[in-house]
Amino acid sequence: DVVMTQSPLSLPVTLGQPASISCRSSQSLVYSDGNTYLNWFQQRPGQSPRRLIYKVSNRDSGVPDRFSGSGSGTDFTLKISRVEAEDVGVYYCMQAIQWPLYAFGQGTKLEIK
Amino acid sequence: EVQLVESGGGLVKPGGSLRISCAASGFSFSNDWMSWVRQAPGKGLEWVGRIKSKTDGGTTDYAAPVKGRFTISRDDSKNTLYLQMNSLKTEDTAVYYCSTLLAIPGIDVWGQGTTVTVSS
Repeated sequence: DVVMTQSPLSLPVTLGQPASISCRSSQSLVYSDGNTYLNWFQQRPGQSPRRLIYKVSNRDSGVPDRFSGSGSGTDFTLKISRVEAEDVGVYYCMQAIQWPLYAFGQGTKLEIK
Repeated sequence: EVQLVESGGGLVKPGGSLRISCAASGFSFSNDWMSWVRQAPGKGLEWVGRIKSKTDGGTTDYAAPVKGRFTISRDDSKNTLYLQMNSLKTEDTAVYYCSTLLAIPGIDVWGQGTTVTVSS
């Protein structure tokens, strides 16, 4: 089974400063169609998860452009260029090609210093 | 408005059963593959299982911890997804979300969650 490992698990950030979250998978996430199925989700306190990024680097509609995703193969990164107060929450990466069909990282809790 | 609304959560004793539902609106539910994802108190997200659309065979897949105990079904005439949970264990206590859980372009939809508590 594929295992998704995020780091750090806790991320205190000063408002206006950048933030970066790493996600590593134990197996390649490149599918036979050439696409890499790696999503990023945001879960604000008390809310349901919300998808931010799909296929490594594609932002969902309505997601601010300060969020960006990058990476390939087994190593991926979510970056926030300038953290705002509304970005507080837990961020999860998720793979969608290896068994188990969908596997999430442990989550990274972003807080404001 | 695109929406998923879960219902049916509650308190159940270990070994008991419960069925929760997820009502969809605002999108073509019958065409979508649907998943259940759970979140134990203070913990991360865990995929529970998935059902494909009828046009893609309507088959189901389950995570190892629930396989053989949980069953996902759908009623496209009612735009509703179900999760039948049998032989419940204390470790099944969680908020259960239904979601399209899309890995491709499109609107990824999540419900607000329903809480299932397994306790004696």
